[in-house]
Amino acid sequence: DAKTTQPPSMDCAEGRAANLPCNHSTISGNEYVYWYRQIHSQGPQYIIHGLKNNETNEMASLIITEDRKSSTLILPHATLRDTAVYYCIVRVAMEYGNKLVFGAGTILRVKS
Amino acid sequence: DAGVTQSPTHLIKTRGQHVTLRCSPISGHKSVSWYQQVLGQGPQFIFQYYEKEERGRGNFPDRFSARQFPNYSSELNVNALLLGDSALYLCASSLTGTRFEQFFGPGTRLTVL
Repeated sequence: DAKTTQPPSMDCAEGRAANLPCNHSTISGNEYVYWYRQIHSQGPQYIIHGLKNNETNEMASLIITEDRKSSTLILPHATLRDTAVYYCIVRVAMEYGNKLVFGAGTILRVKS
Repeated sequence: DAGVTQSPTHLIKTRGQHVTLRCSPISGHKSVSWYQQVLGQGPQFIFQYYEKEERGRGNFPDRFSARQFPNYSSELNVNALLLGDSALYLCASSLTGTRFEQFFGPGTRLTVL
């Protein structure tokens, strides 16, 4: 299974952009990159996903390098409520389904 | 619309006992997956079910089993509980087994004493 590597923690000032990096150098060509976040041991919350093109939605932007070995999640204007553990995930295809392979995650602390 | 629901919220068991955890997917979702999250770690995949059939299994012992019912709800069963089974058990649903993002429930916190 492809695995992801993330920094254990990051700080960000409120109102500034938060850029969370992720390495997934062993990712296969048909495996998607997903980002989820988890607040206070609640269930993980879906943020965004992509295959090889950059993606943007109302929550965040996802930048994937051309070789697909790394990606960056961008929260454009971080707020205190964005403090959470952010997981960079590879969605791995199984014979009849798929599974999300989580890494250790990055603790993002947004400070006022 | 209701999200993924799980019951119970918390559970305390002793070693050697059996436990059943329940999950109701989002209406219209036909796939349910189960994950185990040990404190301080990311979730680990246990099972995926789609249309009542097992579609994938993670690296967990045979003490772990699951099933999906005709209404697409699911149960996770763990036999002969060990201290190391203490974790947050998460259920996630998706429209199908392959193409759509998974939406997680709040989890069941299992403590084994």
